Amino acid sequence: GESVGLHLPTLSVQEGDNSIINCAYSNSASDYFIWYKQESGKGPQFIIDIRSNMDKRQGQRVTVLLNKTVKHLSLQIAATQPGDSAVYFCAENIANNNDMRFGAGTRLTVKP
Amino acid sequence: EAQVTQNPRYLITVTGKKLTVTCSQNMNHEYMSWYRQDPGLGLRQIYYSMNVEVTDKGDVPEGYKVSRKEKRNFPLILESPSPNQTSLYFCASSSRPPGATLYSNQPQHFGDGTRLSIL
Repeated sequence: GESVGLHLPTLSVQEGDNSIINCAYSNSASDYFIWYKQESGKGPQFIIDIRSNMDKRQGQRVTVLLNKTVKHLSLQIAATQPGDSAVYFCAENIANNNDMRFGAGTRLTVKP
Repeated sequence: EAQVTQNPRYLITVTGKKLTVTCSQNMNHEYMSWYRQDPGLGLRQIYYSMNVEVTDKGDVPEGYKVSRKEKRNFPLILESPSPNQTSLYFCASSSRPPGATLYSNQPQHFGDGTRLSIL
């Protein structure tokens, strides 16, 4: 079946650098996407979302980019901090469906 | 404080012994769901509920039951647990289901998880 996936399982960056986490999705009918952050021992925490009628959305230090042509989603974290170390995963919702499909996640490690 | 509360957080039990994981939210959310998280597989939906007395199967419902008698509670029931149900379980809620495109975006709020080990 179709699923959400990730290009890299791990990402290590230097504190202060920008981080880019990628996600590929395969269902062209997906119209709502979310990025979650999951710290050890905790549940997923909402970071930012985007609908398919947008290409870009910005939050505080985070930006999500959506490329519908190649079915690609990315999360950019500016000036990465040690507190950003976590597993990040994307989720997609297919239009008019009542569930979300989640990717396996990328572990981000921030080196001091 | 707005939150989703799961209990217990950790449980080790044996095959065949019925167990219930409780989930409660204090945000008056209509939509609630249960997921399991296994290494390399991401979150997979077990069951979801659109509102009181309305539940439906997700991607991996076999071996699980749920109920939604009240809006705030959505317990997950394992009638006869088996070792392949050893996993990390998350409950989530949102004011509307993810596919409610007529409304503003509806990200789910997650509990902190329940780690089940079935021996």
